[in-house]
Amino acid sequence: DTGVSQDPRHKITKRGQNVTFRCDPISEHNRLYWYRQTLGQGPEFLTYFQNEAQLEKSRLLSDRFSAERPKGSFSTLEIQRTEQGDSAMYLCASSLGWGRAGNEQFFGPGTRLTVL
Amino acid sequence: DQQVKQNSPSLSVQEGRISILNCDYTNSMFDYFLWYKKYPAEGPTFLISISSIKDKNEDGRFTVFLNKSAKHLSLHIVPSQPGDSAVYFCAASANYGGSQGNLIFGKGTKLSVKP
Repeated sequence: DTGVSQDPRHKITKRGQNVTFRCDPISEHNRLYWYRQTLGQGPEFLTYFQNEAQLEKSRLLSDRFSAERPKGSFSTLEIQRTEQGDSAMYLCASSLGWGRAGNEQFFGPGTRLTVL
Repeated sequence: DQQVKQNSPSLSVQEGRISILNCDYTNSMFDYFLWYKKYPAEGPTFLISISSIKDKNEDGRFTVFLNKSAKHLSLHIVPSQPGDSAVYFCAASANYGGSQGNLIFGKGTKLSVKP
């Protein structure tokens, strides 16, 4: 299966700790997106990369959050000094391009973060 | 304020009948719309999309209709099957400024198809 993969699938941490998530996109996709989903809501955009360049960040992405995509392949999302409000499903998606037929975003299974 | 709205949190349909899921949007800059299906503990799965230059797109049992003047789209599933039971998300994107390709999602509609 060559779909989007995310690791870990679940993460439980204590408030104040740092956590890092990894996303491996579909290999030929040059766009990579991070979303966050909380209970009863749809996914909310956090940030995206075109190859290795981070082109946009949502206002939801506070300065405790940082994302990287070295070499334009896999990406990491780090949350420093986690807060209970960070508890959510973190979703990664990739696409060949953007916003047009044939460039749909394909999502990974997500990382469920629980901050105690 | 929500730019993409799915006003029905849930929908129950009998197997074999038509399921109609609705979505409204407020941003007239949206020019591409998608539907995703999500099972518990999985990421959203792409179903079908439509560009704003079209009013209908069909793929097997799934058809999406777009009414630009009403800022409304709908997903029709015919015939509905028990395996279609999932949460369905409507999403939209706009090609302007720095927001190219970012998807704005609705809150989802939980579809239950009863045998």
